[in-house]
Amino acid sequence: QQPVQSPQAVILREGEDAVINCSSSKALYSVHWYRQKHGEAPVFLMILLKGGEQKGHDKISASFNEKKQQSSLYLTASQLSYSGTYFCGMITQGGSEKLVFGKGTKLTVNP
Amino acid sequence: DTEVTQTPKHLVMGMTNKKSLKCEQHMGHRAMYWYKQKAKKPPELMFVYSYEKLSINESVPSRFSPECPNSSLLNLHLHALQPEDSALYLCASSQVPRGAINEKLFFGSGTQLSVL
Repeated sequence: QQPVQSPQAVILREGEDAVINCSSSKALYSVHWYRQKHGEAPVFLMILLKGGEQKGHDKISASFNEKKQQSSLYLTASQLSYSGTYFCGMITQGGSEKLVFGKGTKLTVNP
Repeated sequence: DTEVTQTPKHLVMGMTNKKSLKCEQHMGHRAMYWYKQKAKKPPELMFVYSYEKLSINESVPSRFSPECPNSSLLNLHLHALQPEDSALYLCASSQVPRGAINEKLFFGSGTQLSVL
């Protein structure tokens, strides 16, 4: 089942913060975050395995609420290079342990 | 070398043509994947090879035929495609098969396929 990702699009000015949310209707093993720039390959950002775990990648961090089956990606003091489409991927329990991506959030950072 | 290399970058083919997409990695990864991505959509899994054997086929039509000749190479053979098959085809690899829930995928830049 496809994760529900929101918002669909975000427009920021450089230096502003953003939060992207992802949720599942099923219990999760893990949450994966990728960023894809236009015309490029998706690039791995991070994986979260445990409830409440937060991981960081430069000024990009994420949390995972296992009970609520939700994850949030936090982009702090955004840079122009953060522009792209962010996909969350989830592996749900009781399934075939395949990674299924959400529909994506298009982030645009303007000067 | 942390790259997954895909060729060609662009491909235009007719519905009666036979063509192949190629993917190569030299990271020693033992799992390789084909994803299909339509414009403004997420990647959708097609096939997974685990230790050179097909482990997952996501009910993909037989006009798509994957092949994994060795641990570094992955091919996707195309035959009698339909216009709706036009998409970006992404190859990816990971250290171990996707059954491991904490595996990082390395994606290639993809082949943009147009079927006329």
